[in-house]
Amino acid sequence: SAVISQKPSRDICQRGTSLTIQCQVDSQVTMMFWYRQQPGQSLTLIATANQGSEATYESGFVIDKFPISRPNLTFSTLTVSNMSPEDSSIYLCSVLLGGQGIAFFGQGTRLTVV
Amino acid sequence: GENVEQHPSTLSVQEGDSAVIKCTYSDSASNYFPWYKQELGKRPQLIIDIRSNVGEKKDQRIAVTLNKTAKHFSLHITETQPEDSAVYFCAAEGADGLTFGKGTHLIIQP
Repeated sequence: SAVISQKPSRDICQRGTSLTIQCQVDSQVTMMFWYRQQPGQSLTLIATANQGSEATYESGFVIDKFPISRPNLTFSTLTVSNMSPEDSSIYLCSVLLGGQGIAFFGQGTRLTVV
Repeated sequence: GENVEQHPSTLSVQEGDSAVIKCTYSDSASNYFPWYKQELGKRPQLIIDIRSNVGEKKDQRIAVTLNKTAKHFSLHITETQPEDSAVYFCAAEGADGLTFGKGTHLIIQP
């Protein structure tokens, strides 16, 4: 299994500000995924980050609100922009590893917007 | 796109009894079905998975069954223990990637 380091683990932010979440993997991966998990809810895919190309966003998520960077095969960032209380959630990065394409998750970032 | 339904949302069983969680999916092209366990405040972790060329897979107290015709798959946990208490998510992987069910909160009663 991979070591996926995600930070910060939690943050409390003022509305209108932005927070950048970092995800570092100990091996090279083609695709990295960013999920949102609202309290007591399932995981919703925000976008897929490919190295060397624009991220692919799911319905309901836009680049202006959730810009993503993918500068190399081991690192990605997700920014939550112009935050509002509705953005309070857990954000998780994920990668697929091995020939079987098994998904592994970072430890998550618990964001609270006040 | 894929739609995954998971039931029940909450399941309470006595320690030592069995627990069964069921999921259905909509995309017949989906061919990979993992199950994740998420303990409170922690990341989801893969506990077992099954691919469409297999009907059943077992790993100690955990088993997963798949019925491709009916498009449903189930997680079976036998001899439940307190450490099995968690939220369990099923998922189906198709052309759009992984789609998760809404989760089942499994409570093991002493």
